[in-house]
Amino acid sequence: KAGVTQTPRYLIKTRGQQVTLSCSPISGHRSVSWYQQTPGQGLQFLFEYFSETQRNKGNFPGRFSGRQFSNSRSEMNVSTLELGDSALYLCASSIEGDLTYEQYFGPGTRLTVT
Amino acid sequence: GDSVTQMEGPVTLSEEAFLTINCTYTATGYPSLFWYVQYPGEGLQLLLKATKADDKGSNKGFEATYRKETTSFHLEKGSVQVSDSAVYFCALSDTGGFKTIFGAGTRLFVKA
Repeated sequence: KAGVTQTPRYLIKTRGQQVTLSCSPISGHRSVSWYQQTPGQGLQFLFEYFSETQRNKGNFPGRFSGRQFSNSRSEMNVSTLELGDSALYLCASSIEGDLTYEQYFGPGTRLTVT
Repeated sequence: GDSVTQMEGPVTLSEEAFLTINCTYTATGYPSLFWYVQYPGEGLQLLLKATKADDKGSNKGFEATYRKETTSFHLEKGSVQVSDSAVYFCALSDTGGFKTIFGAGTRLFVKA
């Protein structure tokens, strides 16, 4: 079974631009979460989707948004990029009904904002 | 709110040394506890988990026991290898919030 895939793996953008990152979960997984990883803040939760509905959102500004499609694939968008948005963005999927909420992570998208 | 605190790194050990990485948590309810590992340039991988008090998770020689009385989930390995060099994250599941809460991570360097 294929793992979680994220595209692109690397991205360089200029301040003020916007960016869209994509995540395909493991087949059969309907929960998709996004995390931002930076050296200073560690792993911070962005949002979680299940069956196209956002069930939870972290403490990030409205410039960060996401969505999930009917095939469970998810995208996140960051508008008006700032230098501080440079980070590794990780996507994770979980099995429906797994009460332990074990997560399977993708390799991440490394975003650099210049 | 729920939180996870783990020992700061980096931790540097010689090959075959004993490893302990401390982790304590604060949570309402009864979360599941995890150790995830991140190798350079990769995403996180689940190393082990425990779902209730006194459970012991184990994998690849690593072990951790869910201690409710001390709210701890310390990671141990009897004999580390160079290939164990990575960043280790302690985490708990906030199933009511559909998210995982991570500690800050501990970087481990193992010297040959």
